[in-house]
Amino acid sequence: NAGVTQTPKFQVLKTGQSMTLQCAQDMNHEYMSWYRQDPGMGLRLIHYSVGAGITDQGEVPNGYNVSRSTTEDFPLRLLSAAPSQTSVYFCASRLPGRNTGELFFGEGSRLTVL
Amino acid sequence: EDQVTQSPEALRLQEGESSSLNCSYTVSGLRGLFWYRQDPGKGPEFLFTLYSAGEEKEKERLKATLTKKESFLHITAPKPEDSATYLCAVQARGRSNYQLIWGAGTKLIIKP
Repeated sequence: NAGVTQTPKFQVLKTGQSMTLQCAQDMNHEYMSWYRQDPGMGLRLIHYSVGAGITDQGEVPNGYNVSRSTTEDFPLRLLSAAPSQTSVYFCASRLPGRNTGELFFGEGSRLTVL
Repeated sequence: EDQVTQSPEALRLQEGESSSLNCSYTVSGLRGLFWYRQDPGKGPEFLFTLYSAGEEKEKERLKATLTKKESFLHITAPKPEDSATYLCAVQARGRSNYQLIWGAGTKLIIKP
């Protein structure tokens, strides 16, 4: 098992550009989510999905879109990048039957918006 | 307002010097409290879940405890490989189970 795989690991964008952060897991986890981590702050939930075809907003969804066409993949789209979206982004999934606070994280994607 | 505060922000210890990290929370009702470890450049790694006051969980040199207002992560005789940032998160009643409230973390440095 590769676990949760995120690509790219690093990305630099200009303001207004769009891009997609990829997240894939090979553990057949139904629940997947995207977080952002900023210095001095706790992790913040952007979007989450409880299964293929089902997505919902988290705490900070503005400026981001998601879709879940398969169990394995949960991409995060930045529609028009802004400097405020400079952050480290983590994809996380949950083990079936476990508490929703027990998450398995990817290694992160560091995004810089100039 | 639901809030999770971790202290100290950073802690430097000598190898073998035991100490504790604090996670205090203010929520309307606790469903669960979670501890994670995060190494530099990596994603958080799940450590423990605590559900009710008085509960304790242990793993190697780490022991997590819970009261009605806070949780402690006790580190006994730490080694340099215990150096990491430790995060806590709370699942609160009145919120979606998916909406965890995260602390900002404590950076632990263990010097050999």
